[in-house]
Amino acid sequence: AQSVTQPDIHITVSEGASLELRCNYSYGATPYLFWYVQSPGQGLQLLLKYFSGDTLVQGIKGFEAEFKRSQSSFNLRKPSVHWSDAAEYFCAVGQTGGGNKLTFGTGTQLKVEL
Amino acid sequence: DTAVSQTPKYLVTQMGNDKSIKCEQNLGHDTMYWYKQDSKKFLKIMFSYNNKELIINETVPNRFSPKSPDKAHLNLHINSLELGDSAVYFCASSQGYRSGETQYFGPGTRLLVL
Repeated sequence: AQSVTQPDIHITVSEGASLELRCNYSYGATPYLFWYVQSPGQGLQLLLKYFSGDTLVQGIKGFEAEFKRSQSSFNLRKPSVHWSDAAEYFCAVGQTGGGNKLTFGTGTQLKVEL
Repeated sequence: DTAVSQTPKYLVTQMGNDKSIKCEQNLGHDTMYWYKQDSKKFLKIMFSYNNKELIINETVPNRFSPKSPDKAHLNLHINSLELGDSAVYFCASSQGYRSGETQYFGPGTRLLVL
C-alpha cells in the first residue's frame, strides 16, 4: 500500500531564509506526487504536482520540489520564506490504479520568525 | 465566486444526533470527494463520487452516508454521532477521477460532538 512520510512535524525558519520540507513516499510504481498548503482555518491549496518528465517542478508562490526516485523523496523548497508562508504543508501520493485516491502525509507545520 | 463551498462551516452537536454537511462545486467537475482530518491533522479519504456514482468507499462506518443529487453536489449525512466523529471534514472536486487529476478543496466543516 502506498504511504507518505513527512519526518518533520514542526519547522521554524526566519523570514528571508531558505526552506526545505521533506517528504518520502512508498509506492510500487511511478507515483503522482503533490504538495498542498493549508493556512489556518482554510482548505487545502495545491502548490505543485509531479507526474513524469522533468524532476524539478515549479509551483505557485515561489515553491519548487524535486522528485528523486533513488531516494523515494519529493522535497519542497523555497529560496526565501515570507511571513505569509506560515501554514501546514502536506505531501500526498496518488495511486495510478484509478479513482484518483490521494494518500496524505501527516503534515509539517511551518512557523516563520520575523 | 467560491469554487468548492461547504455548509455549515462549524457544527456543534450532541452525541447521538444526526447531521448533514453540504458541499457544492461550481467548477463543472465530474468527481467529488469527502475527506476527514482528525485532531492530529491527518487527512484521509472517505468517499468519492463521479457523476453521482460511487467510486471510492473507504473503510468508513455505515453511519456515514454520502449522497450526490447531481454532479455539482455531494452531501455527507452522519447518523448517531459519536465523540470520535469530531473532526474537520473537507469536500474536494476534480475534473475526473483519472489518477493525478488535481483536487480542489473546500474550506472545511469543523464538527464538534459533545
